[in-house]
Amino acid sequence: GAGVSQSPSNKVTEKGKDVELRCDPISGHTALYWYRQSLGQGLEFLIYFQGNSAPDKSGLPSDRFSAERTGGSVSTLTIQRTQQEDSAVYLCAVGQGTYEQYFGPGTRLTVT
Amino acid sequence: GQNIDQPTEMTATEGAIVQINCTYQTSGFNGLFWYQQHAGEAPTFLSYNVLDGLEEKGRFSSFLSRSKGYSYLLLKELQMKDSASYLCAVTPGARGAGSYQLTFGKGTKLSVIP
Repeated sequence: GAGVSQSPSNKVTEKGKDVELRCDPISGHTALYWYRQSLGQGLEFLIYFQGNSAPDKSGLPSDRFSAERTGGSVSTLTIQRTQQEDSAVYLCAVGQGTYEQYFGPGTRLTVT
Repeated sequence: GQNIDQPTEMTATEGAIVQINCTYQTSGFNGLFWYQQHAGEAPTFLSYNVLDGLEEKGRFSSFLSRSKGYSYLLLKELQMKDSASYLCAVTPGARGAGSYQLTFGKGTKLSVIP
């Protein structure tokens, strides 16, 4: 998607390992969202960052999930002690604080 | 809670018109979105409705009735490239400053056939 890249594009990990997923927006996007899309499910909101405000973590499914955004730009989503149910496509979306959100290409996570 | 319903699959013929419906029940409402998602790709923004009525944008139109909790996406002059999933999403209201976090339906997979 325009204005945001994600890495890696694919990640295969063993159950119990930690993973880090990266979202790299172009400058000027003050709002940043993480969603995940599991097979057969709709996109599920995880966390929201806006400028220097405290993030909205209300969508994180468990305390194994955490995210940070450094310098108002790059964001990292960390999943500790991965489980098979964590397998999904993790999507980052950015915006200017208006309703439009631009999605990145996503990271496909597979936990074996 | 949030509940968004849309048909799982639809099939339509090239050149025809198709209407994809979406109903929602949410604890708050600050707008309804439609996104297009081709297989293996990121969702791309199609439309945003916050007031009742029809918004037209080229071959695509989106309608909203807030009192009925209902929206539809209308695609005209269907082309093969319109084969994709169409995602209905609602933003329930600002959580914190300017949040438009989206609650998505499961998507409607549209197949356009010759």
